Amino acid sequence: DTQMTQSPSSLSASVGDRVTITCRASQGIANFLAWYQQKPGKVPKLLIYAASTLQSGVPSRFSGSGSGTDFTLTISSLQPEDVATYYCQKYNSAPGTFGPGTKVDVK
Amino acid sequence: QVQLVQSGAEVKKPGSSVKVSCKTSGGTFSSYVITWVRQAPGQGLECMGGIIPMFGTGNYAQKFQGRVTITADESTNTAYMELSSLRSEDTAVYYCARGEQVGPLDFWGQGTLVIVSS
Repeated sequence: DTQMTQSPSSLSASVGDRVTITCRASQGIANFLAWYQQKPGKVPKLLIYAASTLQSGVPSRFSGSGSGTDFTLTISSLQPEDVATYYCQKYNSAPGTFGPGTKVDVK
Repeated sequence: QVQLVQSGAEVKKPGSSVKVSCKTSGGTFSSYVITWVRQAPGQGLECMGGIIPMFGTGNYAQKFQGRVTITADESTNTAYMELSSLRSEDTAVYYCARGEQVGPLDFWGQGTLVIVSS
């Protein structure tokens, strides 16, 4: 099975900062990569799919890039409401393995 | 609007089984993948497996092979996840989620808390 890793495991940044999270797949997955946001006590929410396509209704400060094995999620200007854990997930084949998550906090 | 509504919280004894339901509305049920994801307390998301109702056969993550059964009833637009031989480590919130075949999970159920305790 393809394994997914993420870095960092957690980060703390100031409002307005640019934040970048990295996701790596142990095998190439083309662009079959999604990013989810999970706020504390809430259901995960799809942010980005196909590595770089923003889900409808998601603020434009979120963006994704990458292909093959290396991917990034960028928040261009961190907002207080972005406090959450972010997960990547590969979906080129079952099972759709998730990365371990990156917890984002605001200083 | 697509909605996935799951059954309520369960408390189970070790060694028993639990069956969680996920009723969908507002979209086409049969051709989408219903995936089950679990989240232990303070932990990350873990994909257990999924089913495409029109094909009727579950596909399971290796970790859960032999212990999980995922089924779907097209007449009621409801998917089910049954986990057997429960142990304390199975205490988690179990989510169902919908996605296209080879697609992300765009709609999620509200989650079902399963507590395994003697």
